[in-house]
Amino acid sequence: QSALTQPASVSGSPGQSITISCTGTSSDVGGYNLVSWYQQHPGKAPKLIIYHVNDRPSGVSNRFSGSKSGNTASLTISGLQSEDEADYFCTSYTTGITLVVFGGGTKLTVL
Amino acid sequence: EVHLEESGGGLVKPGGSLRLSCAASGFTFSNAWMTWVRQAPGKGLEWVGRIKDRSQGATTDFAAPVRGRFTISRDDSKNTLFLQMNSLKSEDTAVYFCITSSRSCCYDDAFDLWGQGTMVTVSS
Repeated sequence: QSALTQPASVSGSPGQSITISCTGTSSDVGGYNLVSWYQQHPGKAPKLIIYHVNDRPSGVSNRFSGSKSGNTASLTISGLQSEDEADYFCTSYTTGITLVVFGGGTKLTVL
Repeated sequence: EVHLEESGGGLVKPGGSLRLSCAASGFTFSNAWMTWVRQAPGKGLEWVGRIKDRSQGATTDFAAPVRGRFTISRDDSKNTLFLQMNSLKSEDTAVYFCITSSRSCCYDDAFDLWGQGTMVTVSS
């Protein structure tokens, strides 16, 4: 069982927007603005797409955006494209012995 | 070009040991805090442990499931990171990635540099 809770799957049609949630606790998501999101295509290494809740690394499309409210962070992908079909997972810095906690991942299907 | 490449994975029996390596290039490895994460087949990612740079004492931290069995070390002269895994269990079966951040602000939270991973299978 992952420390951060994500929906197992979401889907959307090309051009639509979808949102993926990531729920933690006050010790991780709620306590720090250190939430990141990653995109992982099958057989590939994950790619950082959002960090510090809502910052984008250079080269990442502005169709990807992040937010946070309380203990829940969210990733929104607007203008869905077929290449967005992938697994997405969140991470957060956390207090305690384990420094970083991960979400279980969400499979995005573009219909 | 920034590059991380893991090696050393393979099949090992329960109770056995394995040493993974991660060769780094394209960035100042000696300044970087380096992290190992793993991904069991069909599962999500799990943080394994991290080593700071030498100016911070090259101190290490580990996740509870591996503490006391795994160690992390680094050879800055060879730009190489190591993960020594002892007393391996079936639940350690996973792809192991070495990762870091290109930003010094974000060594423990925003990992934009990833290797391709090396598979470790623990089975009799």
